[in-house]
Amino acid sequence: DAKTTQPTSMDCAEGRAANLPCNHSTISGNEYVYWYRQIHSQGPQYIIHGLKNNETNEMASLIITEDRKSSTLILPHATLRDTAVYYCIVRPQGGSEKLVFGKGTKLTVNP
Amino acid sequence: EAQVTQNPRYLITVTGKKLTVTCSQNMNHEYMSWYRQDPGLGLRQIYYSMNVEVTDKGDVPEGYKVSRKEKRNFPLILESPSPNQTSLYFCASSLSWRRVTEAFFGQGTRLTVV
Repeated sequence: DAKTTQPTSMDCAEGRAANLPCNHSTISGNEYVYWYRQIHSQGPQYIIHGLKNNETNEMASLIITEDRKSSTLILPHATLRDTAVYYCIVRPQGGSEKLVFGKGTKLTVNP
Repeated sequence: EAQVTQNPRYLITVTGKKLTVTCSQNMNHEYMSWYRQDPGLGLRQIYYSMNVEVTDKGDVPEGYKVSRKEKRNFPLILESPSPNQTSLYFCASSLSWRRVTEAFFGQGTRLTVV
């Protein structure tokens, strides 16, 4: 699986958009970008994934650059409950049987 | 409601006293796995199961056992716990190993071995 780089931490004001970047410059053509989050000591939660087109669901939007070397997860109106560690993973669909999370980005949403 | 249920959520035990952490899913998922999470080390897979009666070692299986006698349950057994097994444990399930990216995780079990 391709390596990803994320900032260690970020802050965001409540009600504002949170934009979380992820670099994956060695991504292969068949690899997807997945985002998960882990709210303090709870189990990781799937958020969204994409291959090359931008994606949106009820939780977030995913913007993938044209060269696919980086992506941004957007939480359009962050709330205090969005405070969590966000993980970006790059892997082929149906790849290995385990999920490997890096260190992720600790997002703190401030009132 | 679709969920993975782990019990107990918190456990403090003494070295050498056998314990079992239960995991149950209600989604008829074939694939289940156990992870441990430690500061600075991320999530590491302990054991996984492709289906009933099919289990295999993950990255850190030493000191653990599992069984998969029925589809919904995947207990984690520590025959003789040691302090280095103090950790936060997660059970996860998905339709199949190919769909592991869509895994549901349990709420976690925080184990302390003294």
